[in-house]
This record gives sequence, structure tokens and C-alpha cells, in this order.
Amino acid sequence: EAGVTQFPSHSVIEKGQTVTLRCDPISGHDNLYWYRRVMGKEIKFLLHFVKESKQDESGMPNNRFLAERTGGTYSTLKVQPAELEDSGVYFCASSPTSGEQYFGPGTRLTVT
Amino acid sequence: KNEVEQSPQNLTAQEGEFITINCSYSVGISALHWLQQHPGGGIVSLFMLSSGKKKHGRLIATINIQEKHSSLHITASHPRDSAVYICAVSGDMNYGGSQGNLIFGKGTKLSVKP
Repeated sequence: EAGVTQFPSHSVIEKGQTVTLRCDPISGHDNLYWYRRVMGKEIKFLLHFVKESKQDESGMPNNRFLAERTGGTYSTLKVQPAELEDSGVYFCASSPTSGEQYFGPGTRLTVT
Repeated sequence: KNEVEQSPQNLTAQEGEFITINCSYSVGISALHWLQQHPGGGIVSLFMLSSGKKKHGRLIATINIQEKHSSLHITASHPRDSAVYICAVSGDMNYGGSQGNLIFGKGTKLSVKP
């Protein structure tokens, strides 16, 4: 069974540009989570999908971040326009229920 | 003060030593997770527990709900155990937020020397 995959593994963009991160959860997992770790801080929750619906987006930092999960399969997280403080590692996780979560390898985003 | 606190922040051990990493939390929880992150690697779930104790190989995780404290133990440590160990909790119904979203500690960086 394939695990959670994320693309790209690393993205370097300039301030003001747009970046879209993708997460493919484990097939059949209804729950999909986005998390972020910025330098020197703990990992923070961004949002939670159940199938295609946003269950909780209380962790989204501002309206420059837009997450979608069309069809309840893969999810995208778009940052537009990117700012320097958006740099960090973005993790995606999926789970079949609210139990154990399976994490992807993360996308390292660097905004210069 | 973070809702999930880990200690120590960094830990260096000699191969074969018994290791303990501690986690304290200040919110009501439905479950506590121990995760492992290798350098440059993704995050792997080691344990999810809501009471008592779990064991997997050389790893043991315990939780005391009354004291809001959990420990991760590694017996007969090995250099391949070197990684960042992260404690995370799922808030309970009173905490708010969606069921399952995790609150993370800052992690404990473990280095096991041969």
C-alpha cells in the first residue's frame, strides 16, 4: 500500500510569487490534515478535511492560504502571494478515522 | 507556555543506554501520540495511546492521564535510534477544534553514539 505522498519535496520561490503544494493521502482515507513547521518552532495544525469538506480550518494563518480537496482525494495548498514568514516544512497526514495519522515526507518551502 | 512540553530538548546517549523522553500536556486529550522524525525524513507514528502502556520492540510508551504526563522509553539504545522524537496530543471534545487535529511538542533531538 502506498503511503502519503507530497509534491514537490522542496520549493524555492521569491516573495510575492505563488506556490501550490500537493498531498496524495493513502487511498480510502477520508481524513486529511495539513500541518506546518516553521524554523525553530513546533509543528502547527493548519486544517482538516473530511472527504472534500473542510472540517476545521482554524489553523490557517491568513487568507493568503487556500486549501482544496476536490473529489475527496488529493489536496492542494496554495500560498498566494508568498511572504518570507511562510517558509517552513509543510506536512500532510491522512487517517481513516480520527485515530493514528500517517504522515507524508513534507514539502520544504523557502521564500526568498 | 506551550500546551505540550517535552524534555529534554536534546539528549546524547551512549549505545546500549536506557533512554527516557518526557511529555507533559495541559489540555484535556482524547489520545497522545509519539512520533519519530529522522534527519531529512518524514514523520513516522510510533504509538497512539489514551491510557496505560504500549510496547513495540525496544520502545515503550506510558501515559498517566491524572498527571497529564507521558514517557517514551528506549531500551538498549542504538545509533539508528538517533532522530527527533515528537509528542503530540489530540484535544478532547472540550478543547475545541476538529477531532484528530494534533497539538505538537517541540520535539526531543536524540543522538546515540556508538
